[in-house]
Amino acid sequence: AQSVSQHNHHVILSEAASLELGCNYSYGGTVNLFWYVQYPGQHLQLLLKYFSGDPLVKGIKGFEAEFIKSKFSFNLRKPSVQWSDTAEYFCAVTSGGSQGNLIFGKGTKLSVKP
Amino acid sequence: DAGVTQSPTHLIKTRGQQVTLRCSPKSGHDTVSWYQQALGQGPQFIFQYYEEEERQRGNFPDRFSGHQFPNYSSELNVNALLLGDSALYLCASSLERLAGGPNEQYFGPGTRLTVT
Repeated sequence: AQSVSQHNHHVILSEAASLELGCNYSYGGTVNLFWYVQYPGQHLQLLLKYFSGDPLVKGIKGFEAEFIKSKFSFNLRKPSVQWSDTAEYFCAVTSGGSQGNLIFGKGTKLSVKP
Repeated sequence: DAGVTQSPTHLIKTRGQQVTLRCSPKSGHDTVSWYQQALGQGPQFIFQYYEEEERQRGNFPDRFSGHQFPNYSSELNVNALLLGDSALYLCASSLERLAGGPNEQYFGPGTRLTVT
């Protein structure tokens, strides 16, 4: 069965620090990969996605993620975080061709100190 | 452009009762998926509806059932509520693609269900 692991439960950074959140998945076939963000009091929003092509994906608000197939990883990065990036971040995967059934990690809570 | 809406926002029920949660998809979307998010966990897939039929189902008991209406809105029903059913229930909508990448899912704000 597919699963998603997010290594960090809670990350605390100061503004302007660089961010990298880890995500590993277990599935041997073609996958589609996503990062979602949930700001306090708001609903889940899509940050970025990878289906195929360039493994370096750029999303909204300066976030990017790199798909490394050999490592089954899809880590999220941002060179300089802001206080407004404080939120919970979820990595998710679907198997290639799947029309639903997002498998989520447990999430990483990011707190950015002003 | 109306996003995904869910009702009610909050709900408190007693063990053994039944509950119905409602979802209206984003304008133009025809597919609805339901997820359960327990405290401190990521969302877990319950099932997906397309063309008024359950198309996929996650690892949830038959106490969880659903329905999709001709206008694409959907309901999630849970019977014989257990304390462990307390969670945030999320609805996500998408547009069925005939080809290309998977459907991008848009999430609603959720319904917070508390079972006492």
